[in-house]
Amino acid sequence: GESVGLHLPTLSVQEGDNSIINCAYSNSASDYFIWYKQESGKGPQFIIDIRSNMDKRQGQRVTVLLNKTVKHLSLQIAATQPGDSAVYFCAENGPNTGNQFYFGTGTSLTVIP
Amino acid sequence: NAGVTQTPKFQVLKTGQSMTLQCAQDMNHNSMYWYRQDPGMGLRLIYYSASEGTTDKGEVPNGYNVSRLNKREFSLRLESAAPSQTSVYFCASSEEGADYEKLFFGSGTQLSVL
Repeated sequence: GESVGLHLPTLSVQEGDNSIINCAYSNSASDYFIWYKQESGKGPQFIIDIRSNMDKRQGQRVTVLLNKTVKHLSLQIAATQPGDSAVYFCAENGPNTGNQFYFGTGTSLTVIP
Repeated sequence: NAGVTQTPKFQVLKTGQSMTLQCAQDMNHNSMYWYRQDPGMGLRLIYYSASEGTTDKGEVPNGYNVSRLNKREFSLRLESAAPSQTSVYFCASSEEGADYEKLFFGSGTQLSVL
């Protein structure tokens, strides 16, 4: 089956610093990736996505980088704010997974004021 | 615009009891999903429905049944609850475009089976 994993289960950063959250995926056929943010007591919320024909995509204060050679995905958050404290999940989808997204186990980000 | 609404938010069951988790979305999405979230396991797909009238098994369907009542509603039923089904359950619907698919999640149901 699929496996999507995160290198670090927890991450603490100072307010104002940049955060980098990493994700490894195992299925080289996966062609669509999404980062979700989950705040305590809430469902996951879409942050940013990227297709496999891209290496980088930028949003508001967030950037996703995709390295297909080593099957690695990262989420960069610029000028991290206390409101960024949450659990972040990566998810992958591909032609052989149908409608199924496979989620990683999550990284808990804590922003220190 | 409420998005995806799940009920109940919390539920405690005894082993062997049955219950139905309700989910409704008001975004006119075709696809709906049920996930469970366990510590250290991430989100795992139980069942999904690509359109009204169709349902398909996901990664962990055993012990569950679903009904896509209409385009808005997708329910999850536990016929005989087991402690292994203690989890947080999330319903989701998806907005699909030519090159993207965004999942919108409800706020979850925390289920404990004793």
